[in-house]
Amino acid sequence: GAVVSQHPSWVICKSGTSVKIECRSLDFQATTMFWYRQFPKQSLMLMATSNEGSKATYEQGVEKDKFLINHASLTLSTLTVTSAHPEDSSFYICSARDAGGNQNTEAFFGQGTRLTVV
Amino acid sequence: AQSVTQLGSHVSVSEGALVLLRCNYSSSVPPYLFWYVQYPNQGLQLLLKYTSAATLVKGINGFEAEFKKSETSFHLTKPSAHMSDAAEYFCALANTGNQFYFGTGTSLTVIP
Repeated sequence: GAVVSQHPSWVICKSGTSVKIECRSLDFQATTMFWYRQFPKQSLMLMATSNEGSKATYEQGVEKDKFLINHASLTLSTLTVTSAHPEDSSFYICSARDAGGNQNTEAFFGQGTRLTVV
Repeated sequence: AQSVTQLGSHVSVSEGALVLLRCNYSSSVPPYLFWYVQYPNQGLQLLLKYTSAATLVKGINGFEAEFKKSETSFHLTKPSAHMSDAAEYFCALANTGNQFYFGTGTSLTVIP
């Protein structure tokens, strides 16, 4: 099946610094990618929808200036957590659906990024 | 409105016993439904999906799910649990807007 690669798998950063997470679709094109945040023992919370060549659409309550999303190509979307704080520590997951697929095409998920802010 | 409800946040079964994870959905249009599995510190892996071709869907690792429109359900089953099945399971619904709606997840524990 299709592969979505997310990098890094885990990162530790100091409070106040910025961290960039990459999400790549390796064998298909994705006009839309999704960024989720997952707290321990909880479901995935959609943060934003990343659209190739245009601005991301953020869910209510998600700070767009803090979580910068760039979708510069059909195979790459990045999430940058700016001025990270300990409360930003979480598991971040991206997903993508094949641009050539239809409504019943499954979403493919990256392996996730464990962010720890100290 | 679209939504997914997973009954039971934690399910424990003995090794070799039947696994039943419940999922009910709400959708104003014919739904496309999915079951995903997540192992610790990993992304989600597709187990199976319902695409209206058949109501009984078989997936990987011996899992299957049956779509019941009258009950708005898409429960996941496996005849005999294996230790390696211990994980978090998510039911999801896809809409025309390319967005997925996830249930809250069910943590499956397999007791040896």
